[in-house]
Amino acid sequence: AQSVTQLGSHVSVSEGALVLLRCNYSSSVPPYLFWYVQYPNQGLQLLLKYTSAATLVKGINGFEAEFKKSETSFHLTKPSAHMSDAAEYFCAVNPGDGGSNYKLTFGKGTLLTVNP
Amino acid sequence: DTGVSQDPRHKITKRGQNVTFRCDPISEHNRLYWYRQTLGQGPEFLTYFQNEAQLEKSRLLSDRFSAERPKGSFSTLEIQRTEQGDSAMYLCASSLSSDTQYFGPGTRLTVL
Repeated sequence: AQSVTQLGSHVSVSEGALVLLRCNYSSSVPPYLFWYVQYPNQGLQLLLKYTSAATLVKGINGFEAEFKKSETSFHLTKPSAHMSDAAEYFCAVNPGDGGSNYKLTFGKGTLLTVNP
Repeated sequence: DTGVSQDPRHKITKRGQNVTFRCDPISEHNRLYWYRQTLGQGPEFLTYFQNEAQLEKSRLLSDRFSAERPKGSFSTLEIQRTEQGDSAMYLCASSLSSDTQYFGPGTRLTVL
């Protein structure tokens, strides 16, 4: 079974500041991990994914995340926030190659606010 | 690649009515997933298809819900005798085997 915990339902940063969104996971098999972004009244867009290759994953729009097995974490970062980054961010896990069903288990999301 | 499309984008219905949503996946994607997202929550898995076969259904999917994917192409999700608790965003995603799931824009259901 898999689960995801996103620490902080709301994160507020100033434009140009570091963005750090936290995600911890639990998985009984080697996981695949994903970050998705959702803008109001829209579906989810993939930011980046970890699928057991490089532990530091680079995604779109300047975001990156690091898989740390010892900490069961997959935190999302961006060096400098832009106003257009304001959205809700979801961390998700699936069983990867260890399971027959690749359904995603999502965290509850973190709403990112960027202040001018 | 035109992406995953869903229709309608919004649906308002009265309690007790039946509703049907449609999802058109990315062509050649053999897997199709349905998720439900309520306010302030992440999406929750409902069911998935590999080609035309429905391989898993969540316990969230009561007997009022039914999903089909005839011929392994588009999929429909029907809710019978809608209840106010069914109000949510219904998201469809597709993937090529175990690869990344690509999501559609969702159908927002409001049950009055």
